[in-house]
Amino acid sequence: DGGITQSPKYLFRKEGQNVTLSCEQNLNHDAMYWYRQDPGQGLRLIYYSQIVNDFQKGDIAEGYSVSREKKESFPLTVTSAQKNPTAFYLCASSQGRYNEQFFGPGTRLTVL
Amino acid sequence: AQSVTQLDSQVPVFEEAPVELRCNYSSSVSVYLFWYVQYPNQGLQLLLKYLSGSTLVESINGFEAEFNKSQTSFHLRKPSVHISDTAEYFCAVSDLNRDDKIIFGKGTRLHILP
Repeated sequence: DGGITQSPKYLFRKEGQNVTLSCEQNLNHDAMYWYRQDPGQGLRLIYYSQIVNDFQKGDIAEGYSVSREKKESFPLTVTSAQKNPTAFYLCASSQGRYNEQFFGPGTRLTVL
Repeated sequence: AQSVTQLDSQVPVFEEAPVELRCNYSSSVSVYLFWYVQYPNQGLQLLLKYLSGSTLVESINGFEAEFNKSQTSFHLRKPSVHISDTAEYFCAVSDLNRDDKIIFGKGTRLHILP
């Protein structure tokens, strides 16, 4: 079955540690996205990539980093510079001019 | 820049009653419009979309939305809700002049009352 996988579902880290969230898709989509979701704030775009080896900052990129070395993978690193990293993180992908996005199941990160 | 407004952050409604979730977008240029649904602790799933053609679009579980270009709206409706419709609903817009991303509203949480 084609889709997007995110792992792990739940992640706990100590304050000051970097952590990497995984996102893999087998839909053969060119574009991939990372969103952060907090209660009452909807989805906020962190980074997006339209093609391999290229990515752009979204609205809240500070404290995050990404890479896009393979078409199917778009990992997100939450660095110690991110002041409030506890949130629900969603990965998505899209293809074509309509930009209909397909979402993964999300990773809930809790920083203790 | 394009923006999306969902006027209600929460909507309580009794089971089997009708519901309307409102969505307005800022620009009147050509757009694609989407409604997504999110169940607790899950990702977003596409509920329905308007790309072109008929302004009334329907989903398989009884929801419908109507694209109104003059009012720049894309309200979501269901004539009779069920407890299983409890979820958060997001309206989203893709601007044909900016094909790199879509803009999401802040979401409306639908509470179904027994």
